[in-house]
Amino acid sequence: GAGVSQTPSNKVTEKGKYVELRCDPISGHTALYWYRQSLGQGPEFLIYFQGTGAADDSGLPNDRFFAVRPEGSVSTLKIQRTERGDSAVYLCASSPMGGPPDTQYFGPGTRLTVL
Amino acid sequence: GQQVMQIPQYQHVQEGEDFTTYCNSSTTLSNIQWYKQRPGGHPVFLIQLVKSGEVKKQKRLTFQFGEAKKNSSLHITATQTTDVGTYFCAGPRTGGFKTIFGAGTRLFVKA
Repeated sequence: GAGVSQTPSNKVTEKGKYVELRCDPISGHTALYWYRQSLGQGPEFLIYFQGTGAADDSGLPNDRFFAVRPEGSVSTLKIQRTERGDSAVYLCASSPMGGPPDTQYFGPGTRLTVL
Repeated sequence: GQQVMQIPQYQHVQEGEDFTTYCNSSTTLSNIQWYKQRPGGHPVFLIQLVKSGEVKKQKRLTFQFGEAKKNSSLHITATQTTDVGTYFCAGPRTGGFKTIFGAGTRLFVKA
């Protein structure tokens, strides 16, 4: 079956601009995670959704970052006033039920470059 | 805060040699997961360990969870070029849904 998909695969933007990154989880998966990964580092947790609600947003670095999942399926990560330090690969993962312990299935990621 | 550390950061081996990566948590973990990320790819789930002292095998890969549930290891016997990639361990934050990943061990295999 289809895995987790993310769009766009690459996004280049200028400092100060607004960007949206989209994640389509595996059908039927109720849990959805957003991570960002810098070169040579492990994925860094940003936010976790169980259904439509953000059950844990403790990883969002500041109020420029926001994520939604209005219908409990597709999720959008929104970054306002982008900064060069936001450049990274943004990964989305979904899991059947959510919460530890549960296997997370990762998407291919969106590579964000802020010039 | 809660941390998950991995050593070594890099490992170069000759094809056929064994490889081990170690994972240490600053706190007791309810479970630990291992992922593999190929160059240019995304993390792919390998296995999850839940019980104290648990040992699981997948072909040439052996995974262990420490008795105190604070450390884990992944051992690959007779590495192959297809084993190239970065191996991450990850554990849940105590009392939350946050998953904390180690920085990973990048494995290079020379044919």
